[in-house]
Amino acid sequence: DAGITQSPRHKVTETGTPVTLRCHQTENHRYMYWYRQDPGHGLRLIHYSYGVKDTDKGEVSDGYSVSRSKTEDFLLTLESATSSQTSVYFCAISPGQGTTSGSYEQYFGPGTRLTVT
Amino acid sequence: AQSVTQLDSQVPVFEEAPVELRCNYSSSVSVYLFWYVQYPNQGLQLLLKYLSGSTLVESINGFEAEFNKSQTSFHLRKPSVHISDTAEYFCAVSDYPGYQKVTFGTGTKLQVIP
Repeated sequence: DAGITQSPRHKVTETGTPVTLRCHQTENHRYMYWYRQDPGHGLRLIHYSYGVKDTDKGEVSDGYSVSRSKTEDFLLTLESATSSQTSVYFCAISPGQGTTSGSYEQYFGPGTRLTVT
Repeated sequence: AQSVTQLDSQVPVFEEAPVELRCNYSSSVSVYLFWYVQYPNQGLQLLLKYLSGSTLVESINGFEAEFNKSQTSFHLRKPSVHISDTAEYFCAVSDYPGYQKVTFGTGTKLQVIP
């Protein structure tokens, strides 16, 4: 299994509070992603990173920010949590373009279940 | 923009029966296609992928999918399912350039009935 951890695994927070989720990898992969998973919507991309300090928005980026100061860590921050951000959040990593057969697949972490009350 | 449609949200099937999970995509350029599986309370795992070459791709546990460019489909099939195949299956597509942004379908829950 790819070395990806997410912390915390579960969190309950109140509306209006800031929340930071952490994704840590030991694979030295270039690309890192944050998704949210909601019933009926599948996985939707929030933000992704294509290198240290290089990030871009996904389809549901409003209300979220990210940072990547080291190859191995990708942080997702909810500046002021809302009930609509109650979800399961997954981090994923990918090696990036290259000649190996695994360059384009993504490896997922175990997920963080966030509840905003 | 790329998109993925999985029309069936749930598929019940009896054990040892065949199953097909449907996936259609929309993209105007060259695509890579994937099927991921998610077991309860876990993250997603890659089941199989199509990048190029043979349009029929297989997984190690008996699943196969066929890339059909004219029908823009990538249906997943298994000739005989097992209880352990009960999971949610996601079709995904990435396209040129870069192939690094992946769009997932809404998922199909496969329920294998004993």
